[in-house]
Amino acid sequence: SYVLTQPPSVSVAPGQTARITCGGNNIGSKSVHWYQQKPGQAPVLVVYDDSDRPSGIPERFSGSNSGNTATLTISRVEAGDEADYYCQVWDSSSDHPGVVFGGGTKLTVL
Amino acid sequence: QVQLVQSGAEVKKPGASVKVSCKASGYTFTGYYMHWVRQAPGQGLEWMGRINPNSGGTNYAQKFQGRVTMTRDTSISTAYMELSRLRSDDTAVYYCARSGLYCSGGSCLDIWGQGTMVTVSS
Repeated sequence: SYVLTQPPSVSVAPGQTARITCGGNNIGSKSVHWYQQKPGQAPVLVVYDDSDRPSGIPERFSGSNSGNTATLTISRVEAGDEADYYCQVWDSSSDHPGVVFGGGTKLTVL
Repeated sequence: QVQLVQSGAEVKKPGASVKVSCKASGYTFTGYYMHWVRQAPGQGLEWMGRINPNSGGTNYAQKFQGRVTMTRDTSISTAYMELSRLRSDDTAVYYCARSGLYCSGGSCLDIWGQGTMVTVSS
């Protein structure tokens, strides 16, 4: 089955730029979605189809996807961005197609 | 507004079954796939499967095949997830989530329920 690999943690100072990666075999050929999850809350979609933002998500959130790595970029990081972030794709390559999540990355705002 | 409201917390004994409901409002229930995702304490997100509310057709993750059943009642815009032969490692928060039609192939999950805590303990 398809595997997505994320770093367990990323730390950044307020006002700086955070980059969270998501690695997968030829992930550039797939559409990648990103979710933000704060403690005790349900996940929220922040980027879809590699780089699009749902209504209401700040422009500070952006994404890219090429080769074997997709990246979520958060510009001008704020304390309120501290959360877990998950990447996700649809894997149609196996006998059991379905949603695949990365292991998640904890973003700490220093 | 568009929302998914799930049933309340459950405590079950090992070997029992649990059925979680997810009531949709604010949109056409039969127009969007409904997914189920779980999250064990301190762990990541794990996809369990999805149901097409229009046809009732389902796709289950291989890990849960034979133990999970997803159904729906279109008359009350509600989806259900039943997990049988519960074990202690099934203790988790269970979420329903809607497919986002604006995403490629409807593959993203744009609206999530609030989650239902299921505890399996003897």
